[in-house]
Amino acid sequence: DAKTTQPNSMESNEEEPVHLPCNHSTISGTDYIHWYRQLPSQGPEYVIHGLTSNVNNRMASLAIAEDRKSSTLILHRATLRDAAVYYCILREGGSNYKLTFGKGTLLTVNP
Amino acid sequence: DAGITQSPRHKVTETGTPVTLRCHQTENHRYMYWYRQDPGHGLRLIHYSYGVKDTDKGEVSDGYSVSRSKTEDFLLTLESATSSQTSVYFCAITAGAYNEQFFGPGTRLTVL
Repeated sequence: DAKTTQPNSMESNEEEPVHLPCNHSTISGTDYIHWYRQLPSQGPEYVIHGLTSNVNNRMASLAIAEDRKSSTLILHRATLRDAAVYYCILREGGSNYKLTFGKGTLLTVNP
Repeated sequence: DAGITQSPRHKVTETGTPVTLRCHQTENHRYMYWYRQDPGHGLRLIHYSYGVKDTDKGEVSDGYSVSRSKTEDFLLTLESATSSQTSVYFCAITAGAYNEQFFGPGTRLTVL
């Protein structure tokens, strides 16, 4: 399985933008880039995903490098409720939708 | 909320005893998954199912078995629990417009 590399932790201030990086240099052409987050004492939840183009939804934006070897999850205005572990995951096409979680990035949001 | 429940939510058991965890979904989704999560780690896939009686192993399947006799229930069994199986267990289903995974609330299992 292709792997991802994320910083162990990041810190942000409330109401400021947050850019969470992810490197995936061995990504294959059929891998989708997925982001999930896990709030304290909860199961993970889907945030966003993309293949080649940048994506926006109500939760976040996903910026994908032109060579697809890295991506950035953007939270436009962090809130205290965004404090969580963020996982960047490559999901293989035709893989029974399996996800392989790494350790993720622990995001701390300061008031 | 994808209608996923897990039972029990908490369980303490002794080494060597059998344990069965249940995942129940209400919306007839085809794919279901069992993960475990240990402190400081992300989730690791134990087993998954792609239909009734269709299951396959994940990356940490040793010591675990699963069964899916009907669409809505996916059971995870520890035939003889060991202390190394103390963990939080999450069930998930694949659903939604992007086939994303939705997770249950988790079961905290302690094996003494």
